Amino acid sequence: ILNVEQSPQSLHVQEGDSTNFTCSFPSSNFYALHWYRWETAKSPEALFVMTLNGDEKKKGRISATLNTKEGYSYLYIKGSQPEDSATYLCALPGTSGTYKYIFGTGTRLKVLA
Amino acid sequence: DGGITQSPKYLFRKEGQNVTLSCEQNLNHDAMYWYRQDPGQGLRLIYYSQIVNDFQKGDIAEGYSVSREKKESFPLTVTSAQKNPTAFYLCASSIEIQRVNTEAFFGQGTRLTVV
Repeated sequence: ILNVEQSPQSLHVQEGDSTNFTCSFPSSNFYALHWYRWETAKSPEALFVMTLNGDEKKKGRISATLNTKEGYSYLYIKGSQPEDSATYLCALPGTSGTYKYIFGTGTRLKVLA
Repeated sequence: DGGITQSPKYLFRKEGQNVTLSCEQNLNHDAMYWYRQDPGQGLRLIYYSQIVNDFQKGDIAEGYSVSREKKESFPLTVTSAQKNPTAFYLCASSIEIQRVNTEAFFGQGTRLTVV
């Protein structure tokens, strides 16, 4: 089973702070990496889908980078706002030939007003 | 609006009973998935289906069963053989299982409690 790790597990920041967290994965047999935001009592929603080494994606104050050679992706939030409070999940297709998504345990972000 | 609907949101089951969780999507997606979440753990795959009338076991399929008789529907039955069924269950879909460059869409989940 592909092992996807996210760090830190949880994070508290003040409103206006910038923050980042990491998704680590084995660098062999890479297909794609997805970032999802999961707010309490809602469904997870896709932020980014990344497929190429060196990919950089941006949506508003949130951006992500991908390094498939070393097996990590960073998610950055600039000027955090209370509405950014959520669990951020990364997911990768699993073992070769199945394409099943394997999820990390997530980073729980709390932005304090 | 297109999306995925899971029902019920909360479900209580007596020990020894089977229970079925509903998942319906109107996104015209071929692939559907069931995940389970336990405290402190990531989402774990129970079953997935690439297409109607086809489904495959995920990593923790023991004690669960599914069917895919219609493209829109992928119900999950938690049987009495599942030793620890109390958990949060999440259903998802994607256009095609091979298209890893497209995102998955999720329902809001069902919290199952065995009493």
